[in-house]
Amino acid sequence: EIVLTQSPASLSLSPGERATLSCGASQSVATSLAWYQKKPGQAPRLLIYDASDRATGIPDRFSGSGSGTDFTLTINGLEPEDFAVYYCQHYIYPPRTFGQGTKVEIK
Amino acid sequence: EVQLVESGGGLVQPGGSLRLSCAASGFTFSSYAMNWVRQAPGKGLEWLSVISGNGRAIFYADSVRGRFTISRDDSKNTVYLQMNSLRAEDTAIYYCAKATRYGSGDTDSWGRGTLVTVSS
Repeated sequence: EIVLTQSPASLSLSPGERATLSCGASQSVATSLAWYQKKPGQAPRLLIYDASDRATGIPDRFSGSGSGTDFTLTINGLEPEDFAVYYCQHYIYPPRTFGQGTKVEIK
Repeated sequence: EVQLVESGGGLVQPGGSLRLSCAASGFTFSSYAMNWVRQAPGKGLEWLSVISGNGRAIFYADSVRGRFTISRDDSKNTVYLQMNSLRAEDTAIYYCAKATRYGSGDTDSWGRGTLVTVSS
């Protein structure tokens, strides 16, 4: 089973700042990695797939990069609605594990 | 518009069983793999299972293999999760999620979830 480790566990930032979230894989997942946003009481929302492709309707302030074992989600210019928990997930082969999440909080 | 609606959750005693359903609409159901994911109270997301569009490829997380069974009925546009031998640690919100594209592993549409509580 591939283990995904996200860092930091939490991030305290102000609106307008840049958020940089990391996801490390215990073995290579190539570019088979997605990022999701999760808010309380809501379903997860796909942001990025294939490591760097934005999902339909996702603002361009969200960007993903990386391949192999190291991945980054960047949010340029945090909007109030961006404060949430973010998860990475690999899907190179089952089980398609998630990272433990990074909480982006308002400072 | 893609819609996924889960049902079948509720309170069940340890060792009991439940069958969750996820009714899909707004897309060609038989063309897409479907997943189940859960979130326990105060915890992160946990991927549980996937079934391919033709139903021939099925995979499970270690935590549920042998206890949970995924299936689909394309005539009803519905995917199921049969859960047996339930444990307290299975308490969670259960989501179904649709693959983004044919053959993809990421999931672009999710239901609102159904709550399963395992307690005596």
